[in-house]
Amino acid sequence: SQTIHQWPATLVQPVGSPLSLECTVEGTSNPNLYWYRQAAGRGLQLLFYSVGIGQISSEVPQNLSASRPQDRQFILSSKKLLLSDSGFYLCAWSVLRVHRAANTEAFFGQGTRLTVV
Amino acid sequence: GNSVTQMEGPVTLSEEAFLTINCTYTATGYPSLFWYVQYPGEGLQLLLKATKADDKGSNKGFEATYRKETTSFHLEKGSVQVSDSAVYFCALSLLSGGYNKLIFGAGTRLAVHP
Repeated sequence: SQTIHQWPATLVQPVGSPLSLECTVEGTSNPNLYWYRQAAGRGLQLLFYSVGIGQISSEVPQNLSASRPQDRQFILSSKKLLLSDSGFYLCAWSVLRVHRAANTEAFFGQGTRLTVV
Repeated sequence: GNSVTQMEGPVTLSEEAFLTINCTYTATGYPSLFWYVQYPGEGLQLLLKATKADDKGSNKGFEATYRKETTSFHLEKGSVQVSDSAVYFCALSLLSGGYNKLIFGAGTRLAVHP
């Protein structure tokens, strides 16, 4: 069965420090991978998605970047954190939808709560 | 553009009350529709799904029907429990540019009191 691991679970970082959040998926190949951010009391904002190794697309301009060095590894980074980067970060994966009847749901990790102080 | 709109919360109910959380969508093509649930401090879990018009997704007493004519996917449960207290997200999935584009609503917080 497929599983998704995301770590760390919580993180407190000072303003201006770097960030690296890691996400790995097991039990599947060639997944679509996503990073979402959830600000306190708000909905989900898609930050990045990836359809393959080294292929990253950004949905919104921001202080963050993403990389996919291996098929099932997705990393969210920042060189210098801002206070506004605080939030709950969620990694997710889905199977590529190749036809209408395919399962297209996303499976989420447990999230990382980042507090920038 | 593609979007999901769901009713604002919080929704506060007594145990055993009937629940409806409204969700409407705008999409090109043929989206799949989902309801996810998020318990405090956790990631999102898939609650139910429907992949084509008139499909009914159901799980744990919750159900939702894919209504193409009204572009809706309202979540219902006949008798809620305290343990149903969580945030519920409506979402759609579209094939876009070679990947599954997942779009979420803003979420609706449900609080159930004994």
